[in-house]
Amino acid sequence: ETGVTQTPRHLVMGMTNKKSLKCEQHLGHNAMYWYKQSAKKPLELMFVYSLEERVENNSVPSRFSPECPNSSHLFLHLHTLQPEDSALYLCASSHNRGPLDYNEQFFGPGTRLTVL
Amino acid sequence: LAKTTQPISMDSYEGQEVNITCSHNNIATNDYITWYQQFPSQGPRFIIQGYKTKVTNEVASLFIPADRKSSTLSLPRVSLSDTAVYYCLVGDMLGSGTYKYIFGTGTRLKVLA
Repeated sequence: ETGVTQTPRHLVMGMTNKKSLKCEQHLGHNAMYWYKQSAKKPLELMFVYSLEERVENNSVPSRFSPECPNSSHLFLHLHTLQPEDSALYLCASSHNRGPLDYNEQFFGPGTRLTVL
Repeated sequence: LAKTTQPISMDSYEGQEVNITCSHNNIATNDYITWYQQFPSQGPRFIIQGYKTKVTNEVASLFIPADRKSSTLSLPRVSLSDTAVYYCLVGDMLGSGTYKYIFGTGTRLKVLA
């Protein structure tokens, strides 16, 4: 596998379910990101891990819980979601020179999440 | 945070040159300008990045005036496959400030036959 992969590609869950989204990057990058993209809205940056430390959490509800066990893997744990959380969840990675560096991001194909 | 403003949509015909302008009036000294392309149900894809003057790669050119308060993405001879949403972003390359990586609403380009 090359680039950034995400699983599953599609997920349907009820509001009481617990599920996890997985992202894996095969690029040797040291930073990973979660974005949410709702219909007709711009991408919203949710979480940033740089050098395996969380450096950004943009006021995301606690029903979303990220986990970054190493620089190649990123998870988004979902619990008690709402229908308005239905969206495309995108993972990205980049090679940063420091915790707050800004550099070209490589995106995965996304997970299309539907909350019933 | 440097906010960006782009036209919501543009139409063009195959073979034409397309220029998409982005306004970023409060761009900071350390900020770079980056453009991404996104197709439906896919993640954004990096197109080009620059700091000042002109940058050119195999797919596009980026023109940045001296005051850096705007930038123009130029796509030469577009084809139907260039139909996508194009995002302009500004961000701090030196990591000296708060993490900034804000996608705006983007410009929806439609290329017609």
